[in-house]
Amino acid sequence: EPEVTQTPSHQVTQMGQEVILRCVPISNHLYFYWYRQILGQKVEFLVSFYNNEISEKSEIFDDQFSVERPDGSNFTLKIRSTKLEDSAMYFCASSEGVEQYFGPGTRLTVT
Amino acid sequence: QKEVEQDPGPLSVPEGAIVSLNCTYSNSAFQYFMWYRQYSRKGPELLMYTYSSGNKEDGRFTAQVDKSSKYISLFIRDSQPSDSATYLCAMSAESQGGSEKLVFGKGTKLTVNP
Repeated sequence: EPEVTQTPSHQVTQMGQEVILRCVPISNHLYFYWYRQILGQKVEFLVSFYNNEISEKSEIFDDQFSVERPDGSNFTLKIRSTKLEDSAMYFCASSEGVEQYFGPGTRLTVT
Repeated sequence: QKEVEQDPGPLSVPEGAIVSLNCTYSNSAFQYFMWYRQYSRKGPELLMYTYSSGNKEDGRFTAQVDKSSKYISLFIRDSQPSDSATYLCAMSAESQGGSEKLVFGKGTKLTVNP
């Protein structure tokens, strides 16, 4: 069964450093998303991406964040200068319609 | 008022019990209603979704939507220890030619005791 994959599973970084989180969406899907979940809190929408551009972004997705689909299979989230409050689980999701399928997540720890 | 509210529990039931999980919402634009299951430190797994009002059944799981009350439910019949997880409701508005963002509830932690 096709699934969304994410790497790395856990990333530890120092405050102020740049991180890139990687995702491989399900191959025939056209819509891609990033969500995050701070420990003990709700899953929150960050950004959606379709046809090589951002469709929608939340207030959380400020200038420190960017997304890219560098080739036909990968979808990345970059955080330029990490803050302590960026520590969270980051989930990639993809869909071809309504149903969004999530990856296993990358746990980002900023120290 | 929060957009999506869900009682976080925890909810503990004996094996074989019928479980009822619920969410309320405030945004009338929501048209798609999903239920996800999430195990600890894993990604949400889609269980089922319903469009607009009505019921949908899939095996031991039944989803109900009452748009007039802005209330959705997930029922689990004959609950099993393997059903122990956090259940998330999620909703989205009608798509404008694409797929809309999901707005999640906080999740209800369910434990089914053997």
